[in-house]
Order: sequence, then structure tokens, then C-alpha cells
Amino acid sequence: EDQVTQSPEALRLQEGESSSLNCSYTVSGLRGLFWYRQDPGKGPEFLFTLYSAGEEKEKERLKATLTKKESFLHITAPKPEDSATYLCAVREIQGAQKLVFGQGTRLTINP
Amino acid sequence: DGGITQSPKYLFRKEGQNVTLSCEQNLNHDAMYWYRQDPGQGLRLIYYSQIVNDFQKGDIAEGYSVSREKKESFPLTVTSAQKNPTAFYLCASGNSMNTEAFFGQGTRLTVV
Repeated sequence: EDQVTQSPEALRLQEGESSSLNCSYTVSGLRGLFWYRQDPGKGPEFLFTLYSAGEEKEKERLKATLTKKESFLHITAPKPEDSATYLCAVREIQGAQKLVFGQGTRLTINP
Repeated sequence: DGGITQSPKYLFRKEGQNVTLSCEQNLNHDAMYWYRQDPGQGLRLIYYSQIVNDFQKGDIAEGYSVSREKKESFPLTVTSAQKNPTAFYLCASGNSMNTEAFFGQGTRLTVV
């Protein structure tokens, strides 16, 4: 059975303090890994798609990387507006119609 | 404006009543999904549809029903058989099985 585990559950940083969020996954074959940002009371907003180990994607202060067992979302010099819950999801090769989500990391950036 | 529209944003239901949540997309996506989100449990898949007039159960389909009569629309009915329906419901759509899904803004259902 697919399993997606995100850590930590919650993370508090000072503005400008860089860090990384982790997404570990166990699937028989990965079709794609996806990162989303979710603000309270809203739907998830798509950030990145990663397809193969070694791939990296960047957007402003965010950088997503992928290995064969996990993905990292690196946040460089974060600002308070980066505060949100970050969700990771995977599609398996068999059963690719399903997006399986982790429980998310709640990130708070203090000014 | 292209996107996914869920309505209503807030919904209150009395116990024993069925209620239907609306989801419409104008992105010309083939696949549509319904997820449920509870605090501390992430998103769980209720139903998904890859094509008009076809849909499959997800991980927590009991007490829910859907229809897909048009490509643009994928309504979800929460029936009285759903034992704990109070939750945040999210609809999503996607272009293919390889790509990301895009979400609507959600409907918060409260049973009173």
C-alpha cells in the first residue's frame, strides 16, 4: 500500500531562517511526486511536479528535490507570507489515477 | 477565468438529510476527484472519474455518491448513511494520469 509521510508535522522559523521539509514515500513505481501549498480554509495550490530521482524545481524561495525514496522542499530566507501547510502527494505507476497525500507540514514564519 | 468552482463555500445539514456539493471546471480536464480533509488526517480520496459517465470509488466512498454526466461537472452527494460527514470537501481536476491536479476552494460541511 502506498505510504507518504511528511516531517516535521509543524515547523516554526524566524524570518530569513532557511530550512527543509521532508516527504518520504513508498511506492512500487513512482509516476510523479507533487508539492502543494495550502492556506487555512482554502484549497491546495499546486507548486511543483517531480518525475525522476535527481530532478529539481525552483520557484522564488522554494526548491524541490527528489531522490528514490524522498523529496525535500527547501525554503531559503523565508518571509511571513510563506506561512502555510505544505502537502506532498504521489502517483504510482499502477493506479496512477490516484493522488495519495501525506498529512502535511504546517510552516510558520515569525517576523 | 479558467478554474475549478465549488459551491457553496459553507453548508449546514441536519442529521438524516442528503446534501449535494457542486464542482464545475472549465479547464477541459478529463479527470476529476473528490477529497475529504479532516484535521490531522490529510486528504483522503472519496471518488474519482477519468471520463464522462464513468467513476470509481476511492478509499472512503461509503456514504457518498457521485455522477459524471458532463465533462465539466462532478457533483458529490453526502448521504444520510455517512456517519461522520462534518469535514472540508475538496474537488480537483487534472489533464492526465501523469500530471498534477488542480483544486477548488473547498466546501465546509457541518452537520447540525
